[in-house]
Amino acid sequence: QVQLVESGGGVVQPGGSLRLSCAASGFPFSTYHMHWVRQTPGTGLEWVAFIRDNGKTQYYADSVRGRFTLSRDNSRNTLYLQMNSLRNDDTAVYYCAQDIMWGFENWGRGTLVTVSS
Amino acid sequence: QAVVTQEPSLTVSPGGTVTLTCGSSTGTVTGRHFPSWLQQKPGQAPRTVIYDTNKKHSWTPARFSGSLLGDKAALTLSGAQPEDEADYYCLLSYDVTRRVFGGGTRLTVL
Repeated sequence: QVQLVESGGGVVQPGGSLRLSCAASGFPFSTYHMHWVRQTPGTGLEWVAFIRDNGKTQYYADSVRGRFTLSRDNSRNTLYLQMNSLRNDDTAVYYCAQDIMWGFENWGRGTLVTVSS
Repeated sequence: QAVVTQEPSLTVSPGGTVTLTCGSSTGTVTGRHFPSWLQQKPGQAPRTVIYDTNKKHSWTPARFSGSLLGDKAALTLSGAQPEDEADYYCLLSYDVTRRVFGGGTRLTVL
């Protein structure tokens, strides 16, 4: 069955960096566009970024553009989110999700990122 | 920045019918917003139940349906079950860089 497993979360100081990974299995990863979505208790769900199946095009939310970089390695069935210049308001659970018709198909269980000094 | 609005909370009786709605601060919600509905239970990741206005995934129970209702998107639950108690989030896609979630509706089955 489809599995999406996020990893790489943790505690980081403001201004620091973190790289999240999403390991995919159970489906033809290289044929799916993918997303990252984050969730905080205060601000709810927020779409973060999107990458096309071939990795050649990415789109970002205004709140992360210029600081986050989304990439993928289709040979390893893995999605990456490089997060730089982290701020307190980047604290959230980060989910990866398959794209379907401008929405989401399967979701991972998420990884918690805490930005705090 | 567009704002997506949902009822904060709704209650439905077991076996009853309830409609959750999803509005947009920019105006009428249409199929070109590709409305999606996500269900989230405590401690779990979200799970998409409806995408592209009214399409269901293989795991979506038949009692859930999506539609456009007036100027909003709608999720109707017909024959509510106790396991349907959850938070429901709407997602509207305005363009490739603007995909906005609503604040969620807490649905109680009581």
